[in-house]
Amino acid sequence: DAGVTQSPTHLIKTRGQQVTLRCSPKSGHDTVSWYQQALGQGPQFIFQYYEEEERQRGNFPDRFSGHQFPNYSSELNVNALLLGDSALYLCASSRGTGTEAFFGQGTRLTVV
Amino acid sequence: AQSVTQLGSHVSVSEGALVLLRCNYSSSVPPYLFWYVQYPNQGLQLLLKYTTGATLVKGINGFEAEFKKSETSFHLTKPSAHMSDAAEYFCAVSDPNTGNQFYFGTGTSLTVIP
Repeated sequence: DAGVTQSPTHLIKTRGQQVTLRCSPKSGHDTVSWYQQALGQGPQFIFQYYEEEERQRGNFPDRFSGHQFPNYSSELNVNALLLGDSALYLCASSRGTGTEAFFGQGTRLTVV
Repeated sequence: AQSVTQLGSHVSVSEGALVLLRCNYSSSVPPYLFWYVQYPNQGLQLLLKYTTGATLVKGINGFEAEFKKSETSFHLTKPSAHMSDAAEYFCAVSDPNTGNQFYFGTGTSLTVIP
């Protein structure tokens, strides 16, 4: 079992650009959540996808959007990048509303 | 609403000494509580969790935590620190009614001194 896989591992973008991050959940998991972890901070919840729909959303602007595909994989899109969007983006997968979530290694996004 | 406070952003212990990492939470409903560990440039790994039942929870690598409702605390302990325990530790809370949306603390960096 490959666990939760995220791609790419590192990414450098210019302010104003758009970025897409990808996540494949652990086998058997149908729920994907995205978190933003700024340097020196704890992860902050962005949103959660279940059955291809956004089920919950944290306090993030509409520039952050996502998608879940029929195979449960997910994308996080960020438009009009700001320097403050530089962070480690973590994907977590779980089964339904189960209590245990497994995290991927993250994508380190740097906005210059 | 849920929130977590981790007291002490940096904790140093000698190898073989007791590890105590503090976590206090705020929740409007009986919460689920978690401790995760993060090694440099890696994701989060679950150490242990409390959902219901026994308030003393044992996790991986010799860690345990006790849920104390009256103190709204969920402190993490390990009797004897090992060099490999050096990492960032995060306490998290979730609302059982809204699925596994986690609210994390700001983390505690554990240094183990040989």
